[in-house]
Amino acid sequence: DTAVSQTPKYLVTQMGNDKSIKCEQNLGHDTMYWYKQDSKKFLKIMFSYNNKELIINETVPNRFSPKSPDKAHLNLHINSLELGDSAVYFCASSHETVAGNTIYFGEGSWLTVV
Amino acid sequence: GENVEQHPSTLSVQEGDSAVIKCTYSDSASNYFPWYKQELGKRPQLIIDIRSNVGEKKDQRIAVTLNKTAKHFSLHITETQPEDSAVYFCAARLSYNTDKLIFGTGTRLQVFP
Repeated sequence: DTAVSQTPKYLVTQMGNDKSIKCEQNLGHDTMYWYKQDSKKFLKIMFSYNNKELIINETVPNRFSPKSPDKAHLNLHINSLELGDSAVYFCASSHETVAGNTIYFGEGSWLTVV
Repeated sequence: GENVEQHPSTLSVQEGDSAVIKCTYSDSASNYFPWYKQELGKRPQLIIDIRSNVGEKKDQRIAVTLNKTAKHFSLHITETQPEDSAVYFCAARLSYNTDKLIFGTGTRLQVFP
């Protein structure tokens, strides 16, 4: 059983299109995230939701809109795709413990904008 | 803003040698420092973590040390093996936003047989 699953894994699309990436976690975690990893492998947080409520919204263009219908799902919709949006997008989830808040990543969605 | 610096960006070692990756953080009240390993084409996965009330933690061939005064922490891999080849990321959790991990820029480790 995959703990954090996201679809699609690969997405090739043209500039100007709108696309969505879906994410689901079955770990019972309260917090979910979207991270972007660019070609240089930098991992940058985009959004964080806790129990369906937006907690973190980094300086991401408003073409990116996350939606959390329930605490097990966090989808990412991207409007008017640009070449610079090409990256790997990782969904993740976590929950707070005494030891810390381990983040579990999904397998990633490789987005290529042509 | 808060940041985490990570060095080196690339590291090549011979199988059996040790590898050390170092990170420095800016938020002096950060209290949780995980390390993630990302193999080619795969997701980042937690390999070890340390909290600020501990100076060192070991798990078989990997260990992490933390120097709170200097605000830096390090990953040590002993007896490296080819399967240790991957990109390693350090991270620090912000003290004022515990949902937010700031990641270092990554170290590409290559272990030659």
